Amino acid sequence: QKEVEQNSGPLSVPEGAIASLNCTYSDRGSQSFFWYRQYSGKSPELIMSIYSNGDKEDGRFTAQLNKASQYVSLLIRDSQPSDSATYLCAINLTGNQFYFGTGTSLTVIP
Amino acid sequence: EAQVTQNPRYLITVTGKKLTVTCSQNMNHEYMSWYRQDPGLGLRQIYYSMNVEVTDKGDVPEGYKVSRKEKRNFPLILESPSPNQTSLYFCASSSTGAPVLHFGNGTRLTVT
Repeated sequence: QKEVEQNSGPLSVPEGAIASLNCTYSDRGSQSFFWYRQYSGKSPELIMSIYSNGDKEDGRFTAQLNKASQYVSLLIRDSQPSDSATYLCAINLTGNQFYFGTGTSLTVIP
Repeated sequence: EAQVTQNPRYLITVTGKKLTVTCSQNMNHEYMSWYRQDPGLGLRQIYYSMNVEVTDKGDVPEGYKVSRKEKRNFPLILESPSPNQTSLYFCASSSTGAPVLHFGNGTRLTVT
């Protein structure tokens, strides 16, 4: 069983809409949760980190964590064409062990 | 500027010719790691290091070697590359006190 599961998409939303990206994980010992954005051929860049249940907002981005359901989501409000990328969900177990999902491809249509 | 530097960015080689991809970070991070990324498979960890002289296998270590003689450097060595090692490789580092990964710019390796 994969540690981190994401819908690979592609997910298409019109410009200005809300994009919703979802991720589930299998290890209840997971302590930290991350969303990375990756443009084609580029390195992943951190968008959000979240460590406790609930919502965390940063500008147009909101991360949501539900440890009981082992579920992490990322909402992108007012989506822009520049948000078109692959979004990687990652979890951190004890120490520095990170596991990544395969990513969800998002396209924002002008 | 805090960064993780990988070299080279692009590398084309032939089967069996030993190569090294270098990785250096200037953030005094204890943890360093190598990933490969293939379409549909996501980022898979090759090797990681918790500190100097401490390395361990990740999920896909076959065909790779690493060393950590200095805190800042973590080279990836392919002793006898094969075509199935054609991939996009990323080095990453983080502090044990703040487990957020910082990635290098990547190395696109093609083995013919």
